[in-house]
Amino acid sequence: GAVVSQHPSWVICKSGTSVKIECRSLDFQATTMFWYRQFPKQSLMLMATSNEGSKATYEQGVEKDKFLINHASLTLSTLTVTSAHPEDSSFYICSAVGGSSGANVLTFGAGSRLTVL
Amino acid sequence: ILNVEQSPQSLHVQEGDSTNFTCSFPSSNFYALHWYRWETAKSPEALFVMTLNGDEKKKGRISATLNTKEGYSYLYIKGSQPEDSATYLCAPRLRDYQKVTFGTGTKLQVIP
Repeated sequence: GAVVSQHPSWVICKSGTSVKIECRSLDFQATTMFWYRQFPKQSLMLMATSNEGSKATYEQGVEKDKFLINHASLTLSTLTVTSAHPEDSSFYICSAVGGSSGANVLTFGAGSRLTVL
Repeated sequence: ILNVEQSPQSLHVQEGDSTNFTCSFPSSNFYALHWYRWETAKSPEALFVMTLNGDEKKKGRISATLNTKEGYSYLYIKGSQPEDSATYLCAPRLRDYQKVTFGTGTKLQVIP
């Protein structure tokens, strides 16, 4: 079945540093990937839609200069949290469209827990 | 912003009990509804994708129904087992939009 690998699972960084999270589709080509953020006791909030070879589409209220998304290949999308601050601490999760599960089904990574000190 | 509501937010059931929960969503421009199961420390896993009004899908002891005219879907679990403990997310998708909007989920705890 379709598998999406996301890493790191956990990351702790100092305030002001940048952190990169990778999301890879292992056995299928993902032309579209989504990045979500989850605040405590809330739903998955869509941050941006990442399309291979083009600029990401950000949701309203998401700072594109803070959350840099790159989708340089059909199997890899990255989210870089730049100049991280404690309020960026959150759970980030990616998903990809496609694979053996079907064109309409999202295949998720396992998520990344970011803690900014 | 798409308003997706799931209820209840959480529930505890005894092993062997059957249970159900609800997902409500705007009915206009409906394209599809996804149900996902999210177990702790794992990735959300797709359960169903439903598109037609009146659709009923089944996977083992879990089934779901869809009413696109009134904007709701029910998920049923028959004879709950501890391994059914998870957060169940529904996610409608509108016509002409790639993105999927998630509800807050129903957290199910099955007590042995």
